[in-house]
Amino acid sequence: DAGVIQSPRHEVTEMGQEVTLRCKPISGHNSLFWYRQTMMRGLELLIYFNNNVPIDDSGMPEDRFSAKMPNASFSTLKIQPSEPRDSAVYFCASSLALGEQYFGPGTRLTVT
Amino acid sequence: EDQVTQSPEALRLQEGESSSLNCSYTVSGLRGLFWYRQDPGKGPEFLFTLYSAGEEKEKERLKATLTKKESFLHITAPKPEDSATYLCAAYQGGSEKLVFGKGTKLTVNP
Repeated sequence: DAGVIQSPRHEVTEMGQEVTLRCKPISGHNSLFWYRQTMMRGLELLIYFNNNVPIDDSGMPEDRFSAKMPNASFSTLKIQPSEPRDSAVYFCASSLALGEQYFGPGTRLTVT
Repeated sequence: EDQVTQSPEALRLQEGESSSLNCSYTVSGLRGLFWYRQDPGKGPEFLFTLYSAGEEKEKERLKATLTKKESFLHITAPKPEDSATYLCAAYQGGSEKLVFGKGTKLTVNP
């Protein structure tokens, strides 16, 4: 299995631009998670889906962030408009229900 | 509030010098305690799951143990390639949300 796939690996954008991060979970996994990691706050859960349905988005910082999972093999996290404080590494992870979560390689986002 | 706290924040060892990392948790209805390893520039890599107090799991030089309030990751005779940040996490009661500690950065010098 290829594991969780994320793209792009690196993204540099200017403040105010729209950013879209993409994730392909491990085939057969039914839960998908989006995390953000910073030095100050560590690894924070933003939102998670179960069977393509958003279950908990209480970690999404504000309305500028949105996530979708149109099918079992694809999810996006969108930031519009982006701000410098959004700079972080964003991880996608997938799992079978209540099982261990497997993480992708992450997208390093820099907003200037 | 569910919390996971790891100590120390950083640990430097000489090759072969055994030690332990600590993870204390306050999570109602623990349904799994997870250990991950994270190398720079990579995503966390799953190591162990522990479900009940008294449970132990081993992998090469690593052994994870669990009590009712904390978990330990014991590293026996570490090698430089064991250098990484080790994260622990617990499922928040009643959900699939994993609460992560901030990690212990381990450096093993040759």
